[in-house]
Amino acid sequence: AQKVTQAQTEISVVEKEDVTLDCVYETRDTTYYLFWYKQPPSGELVFLIRRNSFDEQNEISGRYSWNFQKSTSSFNFTITASQVVDSAVYFCALSGMEYGNKLVFGAGTILRVKS
Amino acid sequence: EAGVAQSPRYKIIEKRQSVAFWCNPISGHATLYWYQQILGQGPKLLIQFQNNGVVDDSQLPKDRFSAERLKGVDSTLKIQPAKLEDSAVYLCASSLETASSYEQYFGPGTRLTVT
Repeated sequence: AQKVTQAQTEISVVEKEDVTLDCVYETRDTTYYLFWYKQPPSGELVFLIRRNSFDEQNEISGRYSWNFQKSTSSFNFTITASQVVDSAVYFCALSGMEYGNKLVFGAGTILRVKS
Repeated sequence: EAGVAQSPRYKIIEKRQSVAFWCNPISGHATLYWYQQILGQGPKLLIQFQNNGVVDDSQLPKDRFSAERLKGVDSTLKIQPAKLEDSAVYLCASSLETASSYEQYFGPGTRLTVT
């Protein structure tokens, strides 16, 4: 069965610190997609990144970077030099044929960035 | 480009009452999703439409929940009668197509409180 685990329920950091959000997944599919979404207090889920299972290249977008390692079934997300505006709930999600291409979300990690 | 619109943003009802939520997806998006997000959890898919047909409603509690997408654009989700455990945020999302490779864009959600 497809499953996404975000073991960190809540993380608090001080502004300008780097922070890594962990995501571990399980799937029997060989082709699948991994996603990260941000949910600020306004409630809307904001798409951050999609990665397919054949592309293990790490990606950097501004202060955001993602580390995908199939060997450990992990897709971790790092925010460099965190800012107060980064405070939100972050969800990792998985999609693949095993579960009918539905998005399976983790429970989310609450990130609090203090000034 | 306008995002996914949802209304109302908040709704408070008593148990056994009925409630309906409305969603207008991004123009041109063929696939529409309704998710239920209980506090402290990731979103869970309730129903998925491709144009005006249902692709997946396996997790929709059909004894009390119903949804329709007339003309393949707007959609409504109804709960009748509501139970206390239906208190949650109901998120609507849309994507260009159904395949896993297409990211889903989410609306702001409707926060339902059942008392």
